[in-house]
Amino acid sequence: KNEVEQSPQNLTAQEGEFITINCSYSVGISALHWLQQHPGGGIVSLFMLSSGKKKHGRLIATINIQEKHSSLHITASHPRDSAVYICAVEGVSQGGSEKLVFGKGTKLTVNP
Amino acid sequence: DSGVTQTPKHLITATGQRVTLRCSPRSGDLSVYWYQQSLDQGLQFLIQYYNGEERAKGNILERFSAQQFPDLHSELNLSSLELGDSALYFCASSGTNYEQYFGPGTRLTVT
Repeated sequence: KNEVEQSPQNLTAQEGEFITINCSYSVGISALHWLQQHPGGGIVSLFMLSSGKKKHGRLIATINIQEKHSSLHITASHPRDSAVYICAVEGVSQGGSEKLVFGKGTKLTVNP
Repeated sequence: DSGVTQTPKHLITATGQRVTLRCSPRSGDLSVYWYQQSLDQGLQFLIQYYNGEERAKGNILERFSAQQFPDLHSELNLSSLELGDSALYFCASSGTNYEQYFGPGTRLTVT
C-alpha cells in the first residue's frame, strides 16, 4: 500500500462544475502539499498546509490531521484547470529534511 | 516562473554514458531537492542538499550522485546510464517557509 493515496485517478468534468480531489496518507506528517502538473510537464506548488484550510482564488485545500485526509476543491472549473493534481506529504522525524512522498496524481480534464 | 532554473531542458544519450543535470535555486533558497518522474514510478525523491551539505537521501541509485556548490547551484550526475533511467528530472528549492518551488525539469532519454 502506498503511503499516499489519491482518488479519483481520473476525473472528467464540464466547465463550471465543482471538483473535489481526495488524498489519504498513512504516516505522520509535518505538512501536505498540493501540486499541479500541466501537460507540458512543469510543476507548480498550489498549497502547503499543516492544518485547517487555505484558499487561493477558485482553489481550496483542506486537511484533517486526525483522519489523515486532505481534499483539493476547484470551484467553477474551467478548461485551463485541466492538469494532473498531485498530493505530496512531508513526514515527521526526518532529521530536518522536508523531502516529499508523492501520490500518483489525479488527471483532471475539464470540457468546455 | 518559479525562479528555479534547470539545464538542459532535453537530453538524449546512449546507454552506458554519463550526463550532468544542473539546477540553480531561487535567490536566497538554501535547500535544493532532486526528484525523478518516470512513467511507471511517478515522482520520487532522490536527494536533498542544504547549504552545500547532503541532508537526506531517497531512492537514489549508486550510479547517481549530486552536489551543491558554494554558490548554491546543484548538479545531478547520472552515470552508466540504462534505458530505465529515461525520465523527467526535477529540481526544487525552498527557503525559510519550506514551500518548494519546482524547476521546469530536464527530460532525459536514454537510447
